[in-house]
Amino acid sequence: AQKVTQAQTEISVVEKEDVTLDCVYETRDTTYYLFWYKQPPSGELVFLIRRNSFDEQNEISGRYSWNFQKSTSSFNFTITASQVVDSAVYFCAPTGTYKYIFGTGTRLKVLA
Amino acid sequence: DTAVSQTPKYLVTQMGNDKSIKCEQNLGHDTMYWYKQDSKKFLKIMFSYNNKELIINETVPNRFSPKSPDKAHLNLHINSLELGDSAVYFCASSQDLGAGRSAQHFGDGTRLSIL
Repeated sequence: AQKVTQAQTEISVVEKEDVTLDCVYETRDTTYYLFWYKQPPSGELVFLIRRNSFDEQNEISGRYSWNFQKSTSSFNFTITASQVVDSAVYFCAPTGTYKYIFGTGTRLKVLA
Repeated sequence: DTAVSQTPKYLVTQMGNDKSIKCEQNLGHDTMYWYKQDSKKFLKIMFSYNNKELIINETVPNRFSPKSPDKAHLNLHINSLELGDSAVYFCASSQDLGAGRSAQHFGDGTRLSIL
């Protein structure tokens, strides 16, 4: 059985602070993919980043960076210099063959 | 140009009625999905179609019936609506064939409210 955990239900930061969102995905599968999606207050779901289970190299894209460690099953997502527009619910979403799971989400509030 | 569009955006109806939600994607993707998001923001997949063939059917009441006339459309029909059906329903698509390796592109959601 697979289990995805986003232990942080809500985080509040002040604008320009860095913030890391945690995700733990427990599975016996050897091949899987990990996604982060953002749901702003307007309600749409927006794809942010994707990693596969073979690639543990950290990556940076603009203000976003992510860190995947297979040994601890953690797939963390960092926003550098947060902005008010980053306020949203962030979902970690692991997938595999015919498996699509969403975590419970972390609500991020960025205060001006 | 809207990639994944679903209609209507809002649906308010009485318990016991039958309603449909339509979804269309113009991305040329092979796979389409329906998700349900409850009031606590919990997202759960309901169905997935790949080239008009059903590939995922989660534990969903059989009052919910998806229909895919072609790979660009996946509609959701709901019979005998119940209060617990109140939620936001999202349609999505991906170029995936069920392997899970591609990002999903979501419609804006349909907020269904049962009175």
